[in-house]
Amino acid sequence: DTAVSQTPKYLVTQMGNDKSIKCEQNLGHDTMYWYKQDSKKFLKIMFSYNNKELIINETVPNRFSPKSPDKAHLNLHINSLELGDSAVYFCASSQVYSNQPQHFGDGTRLSIL
Amino acid sequence: DAKTTQPNSMESNEEEPVHLPCNHSTISGTDYIHWYRQLPSQGPEYVIHGLTSNVNNRMASLAIAEDRKSSTLILHRATLRDAAVYYCILRDVRTSGTYKYIFGTGTRLKVLA
Repeated sequence: DTAVSQTPKYLVTQMGNDKSIKCEQNLGHDTMYWYKQDSKKFLKIMFSYNNKELIINETVPNRFSPKSPDKAHLNLHINSLELGDSAVYFCASSQVYSNQPQHFGDGTRLSIL
Repeated sequence: DAKTTQPNSMESNEEEPVHLPCNHSTISGTDYIHWYRQLPSQGPEYVIHGLTSNVNNRMASLAIAEDRKSSTLILHRATLRDAAVYYCILRDVRTSGTYKYIFGTGTRLKVLA
């Protein structure tokens, strides 16, 4: 069983469009994250939600809006896509007040034409 | 944010041990040291973590310097499947109990057959 799953795996779209990426975890964790890995392979955190509440918001443009309908899901909606948004986006989950590691999904590769 | 520095790349022969170093001179007393690896086209995968004492698991060993300003990930017998980018990360714990990872550039490990 996949622990952290993201859909779609690949997303190709035009500049200016709006798109969403979905993430689900079946580990029973209460905290979920979005990371962005750019073309230079730097992995950087974007958001974190704990029990549907935004905990971390790392100076990400407000075109990016995370939504957490429940603690097992964290979706990422991106408005007015720009060329610089091309990257691989990773979802992760963990348990709060725990020194246990984060579990990552396999990523969504977003390409903007 | 506490940061880590790692060599950009290392090579190892198959079946030989590999020692991957990491410097974290600004580590705070509550920072755990986590190691992840990222295989091509996959999300980061947890390897091992520790606080002060050396740690062993089925994947690797973690040796932590007495002053905690550096650590070394040890793969006892490298295989071709161990070729990946290895990240040494300090876990930045928030007062909320959640935490974020600050990824560095990592070390790209090449395993030679």
